[in-house]
Amino acid sequence: DQQVKQNSPSLSVQEGRISILNCDYTNSMFDYFLWYKKYPAEGPTFLISISSIKDKNEDGRFTVFLNKSAKHLSLHIVPSQPGDSAVYFCAAPRWGSARQLTFGSGTQLTVLP
Amino acid sequence: DTEVTQTPKHLVMGMTNKKSLKCEQHMGHRAMYWYKQKAKKPPELMFVYSYEKLSINESVPSRFSPECPNSSLLNLHLHALQPEDSALYLCASSQLPGTGIPGELFFGEGSRLTVL
Repeated sequence: DQQVKQNSPSLSVQEGRISILNCDYTNSMFDYFLWYKKYPAEGPTFLISISSIKDKNEDGRFTVFLNKSAKHLSLHIVPSQPGDSAVYFCAAPRWGSARQLTFGSGTQLTVLP
Repeated sequence: DTEVTQTPKHLVMGMTNKKSLKCEQHMGHRAMYWYKQKAKKPPELMFVYSYEKLSINESVPSRFSPECPNSSLLNLHLHALQPEDSALYLCASSQLPGTGIPGELFFGEGSRLTVL
């Protein structure tokens, strides 16, 4: 049962344009969502998070939107830079244990110069 | 210091070998984790330690044996592994629930394990 889904395994975007990465979830008990970024041969690094009581959280070039009724969240990167090329995972802490993350399958973002 | 350090970065072992992966953090985190990641897959939780005690074992085979000697160190002892155990093994640490951002883990760079 994959409770956090990323249906796009890959995304290519031109430098300077917007990157939109999507994530769907099935468990309405999730009350927090996170995005992690992973470069090859490195561990994932936390990027941005959003509480379920909000519908938007912004941090510099990164904005996460949450649509609870659709059980959908998205990560917007504007403007995209070649250094943003990485695998992006959305994740949610399992209910009852704030630190056990359920990860989506990841989206490989490639930003073309 | 916001680093989680893992050693070795690469390890090749035979199915009869005994080896260990090591992880260290100095952020004062009292929760530490082992994750396993196969190629093109998300990280999968293996073990969770809270206050140096094993709190979660995600039905991991006994050929993987975790150990938390103190609040800064986490080991994963490997014995009689199978080729399908080849993967990237990630260590992470975090603050305990109730503090910090829920779900924010600090990952090490991982140990790439190959079992021949």
